Amino acid sequence: GAVVSQHPSWVICKSGTSVKIECRSLDFQATTMFWYRQFPKQSLMLMATSNEGSKATYEQGVEKDKFLINHASLTLSTLTVTSAHPEDSSFYICSAPRTSTNEKLFFGSGTQLSVL
Amino acid sequence: DAKTTQPNSMESNEEEPVHLPCNHSTISGTDYIHWYRQLPSQGPEYVIHGLTSNVNNRMASLAIAEDRKSSTLILHRATLRDAAVYYCILREIQGAQKLVFGQGTRLTINP
Repeated sequence: GAVVSQHPSWVICKSGTSVKIECRSLDFQATTMFWYRQFPKQSLMLMATSNEGSKATYEQGVEKDKFLINHASLTLSTLTVTSAHPEDSSFYICSAPRTSTNEKLFFGSGTQLSVL
Repeated sequence: DAKTTQPNSMESNEEEPVHLPCNHSTISGTDYIHWYRQLPSQGPEYVIHGLTSNVNNRMASLAIAEDRKSSTLILHRATLRDAAVYYCILREIQGAQKLVFGQGTRLTINP
């Protein structure tokens, strides 16, 4: 079946550095991808919608200059956490629908970011 | 996005059926009912979805109330691998197709 691949699975970085997370649709094209973050024992929070060839749409309260999203191809979206701080430490998850109809979303396995 | 209400946690025994309830009293006619589950340290996984009629697949069954204001996810024979957080989500037929997650139900399966 369709698979969404997310890398890296985990990353540790120093405060002030930037971290890039990749999300790939392996056997289908995704014009839209979604990025979520999840803190321990909490639910997923939608951060932004990534649109191939155009600007991402950010949810209210999410800093677009802090979380840079690029969707340069139909199979790849990237999330860059810029100037990371300890409060950015979280579990980041991407997802993509395979078709334009109201079908299921496929999710990546997530990226655990720890900022020291 | 329309809101759903689920119990915070539920517990069941292995090899017994599990009924996970979800209330969505403000559902609109264009909302699908989706269920996803999330195992520890993993991304969510699709379980099932429906609009008006009950649905069955290899993972579970979805029973939708006639007025669509509530639904129940049924795991017919729970295993230890079914221990997860289960999310009931309303998703619009049209539009951005995004999923907005609520708090979900943490299901514990006892051996």
